[in-house]
Formats: sequence, C-alpha cells, structure tokens
Amino acid sequence: SAVISQKPSRDICQRGTSLTIQCQVDSQVTMMFWYRQQPGQSLTLIATANQGSEATYESGFVIDKFPISRPNLTFSTLTVSNMSPEDSSIYLCSAEGWDSSGNTIYFGEGSWLTVV
Amino acid sequence: QKEVEQDPGPLSVPEGAIVSLNCTYSNSAFQYFMWYRQYSRKGPELLMYTYSSGNKEDGRFTAQVDKSSKYISLFIRDSQPSDSATYLCATFSGGYQKVTFGTGTKLQVIP
Repeated sequence: SAVISQKPSRDICQRGTSLTIQCQVDSQVTMMFWYRQQPGQSLTLIATANQGSEATYESGFVIDKFPISRPNLTFSTLTVSNMSPEDSSIYLCSAEGWDSSGNTIYFGEGSWLTVV
Repeated sequence: QKEVEQDPGPLSVPEGAIVSLNCTYSNSAFQYFMWYRQYSRKGPELLMYTYSSGNKEDGRFTAQVDKSSKYISLFIRDSQPSDSATYLCATFSGGYQKVTFGTGTKLQVIP
C-alpha cells in the first residue's frame, strides 16, 4: 500500500486568497492525482499530476484556478487560487499503490477547506 | 446514464446485522473493482480490491463481482457501530486509466 500525507488537514480561508495543499507519498509512484469532494457529493477528479511536465486537467478545471506542481515522484502540491465559497470542499491527493490484486488507488486524509 | 450507479441511502441497520451494499456499472471494459470506506470529513480508505469476477473475503468483509450482470457488492457481517460511514464503490479498466466512483452509500449501524 501507499501511505499518503496531506497538509493542511483543514483551514478556513478568506475569499479571494489562495491556498497551497501539499501531498507526500512514502514511496516513489508514477501516478498522482488530485480530487475534490464537495459536501455530500462523490469524488471528482481535478487533474493528474505529471512528474516533470504540466498536469493533465479534467473538463471543468483549469490551470489558472488549480495550479499543480509535481517536482519529483513522491511529492505534489495543489493550489486553489482566488477562492470563493463555492471552493469549500475536501481536496484529496491520491496515488497508485500495490495491493495483492494489483495496482490500485490510495488516498490521503484530505484537506478540508472552508472559504468565508 | 452514469457509468457507476450506487444507491445513496442512508441505510440503517441494527448492530450484528449483515449489510449488503451494491453498485452497478455500464462499461464492460472495467476490470478492477474497489470499495472504499469514508468517515465524515476524512479521506477514503481502501477496504477491498478485486480483479475481474469472483469473491474476495477479508475478515467481516466480502467483495463480490459479477461481470456478466455488471454488478458489484460488499457484504459486511456482524456489523458494528464503528462500520457507520459512507461506502464508495470504484472501478477502472486497468493501467493508468481513470477511476470512476459511485456516489457512495451512507451506512448507519445502530447499537
């Protein structure tokens, strides 16, 4: 399995500010992802964090709003820019890991952001 | 039609009951199936992971996949109040393909 650490675990942010979330994996992984989970909703993939190149964004998400860095195979950051109350969500980092059945996806504990 | 359908619940059961959680999916290319448990305001925790059809058991949990009917299940035996959480099914076709999640079923086990 992969152990994924995220920080901050929670924060209260002012409208119009930006916040960077850090994600650290305990082993080198090829694939890292960022998800958003709005209150009462399932997970929505924001982007795939690619090591050494620009992230691959899903429809509805853009780099200017959610810039992502992936400087090496164990670390990534997600910035939520110019925040509004609609950005209040759990933001989840995930990475591939090995299970007895094969490669699967593990998640960090999440970063709970409240925008006021 | 969503690629993965899951009844959102909530599902309330008495302690000790057998719980059955289910998902259906539409894409026959899906080969890998996961169940995650998510407590309130926490990240999803991988519970069970299976490849293709069949059963997998781990303690009180059994995951079942029927690819012919595109139906996946998670059974919880002797349910405990600590099992109260939201359970998410998820699937992907393999390699580095995108994972598709169900909407989650909220389970409450009443002492």
